[in-house]
Amino acid sequence: GAVVSQHPSRVICKSGTSVKIECRSLDFQATTMFWYRQFPKQSLMLMATSNEGSKATYEQGVEKDKFLINHASLTLSTLTVTSAHPEDSSFYICSASGTGDLEAFFGQGTRLTVV
Amino acid sequence: KQEVTQIPAALSVPEGENLVLNCSFTDSAIYNLQWFRQDPGKGLTSLLLIQSSQREQTSGRLNASLDKSSGRSTLYIAASQPGDSATYLCAVRVNDMRFGAGTRLTVKP
Repeated sequence: GAVVSQHPSRVICKSGTSVKIECRSLDFQATTMFWYRQFPKQSLMLMATSNEGSKATYEQGVEKDKFLINHASLTLSTLTVTSAHPEDSSFYICSASGTGDLEAFFGQGTRLTVV
Repeated sequence: KQEVTQIPAALSVPEGENLVLNCSFTDSAIYNLQWFRQDPGKGLTSLLLIQSSQREQTSGRLNASLDKSSGRSTLYIAASQPGDSATYLCAVRVNDMRFGAGTRLTVKP
């Protein structure tokens, strides 16, 4: 299957700072990318859907000014958590799909801890 | 908005048993459905992808079926092993991709 690389895998940051998470499709063009958040013992909750070159569509309850998503190229999307707070600590996972059968490929996830 | 439900939430079986995990979804106009496995603290491993035009997919001891009209999918695991212990997630793709809450499977030696 296709490969999606997510970086970093773990990050610890201080409260009030910003953190950027990268999601790259290594061997295909990702026309659509999804960003998810997963709290302990819970399932993946969709945060936003982004199509290359367009503004992301955020799910209800997700602050677009706090979680900045950029999908400027067909191989890279970034999620920036701005002014992070301890309650933003979570596991963030990206997913990418191209055209065709629309199979989604997932990154390895980023465990964010805000102290 | 698409709602995805998985039952049971948790399942514990002795090694060797065959088992069925269930997934249902409210909007049948899907592009595809995927089953994933997630180990504690880890990312997702894709198990099977079923396109909307397909009825089932098989990989080794795993078989997934899809009945789009009734909004249901099942994941059948044959001859379960302790290494199958994990959380199993189904996800449906429309314009977005949404997950069920998962079934936490424990296979006892």
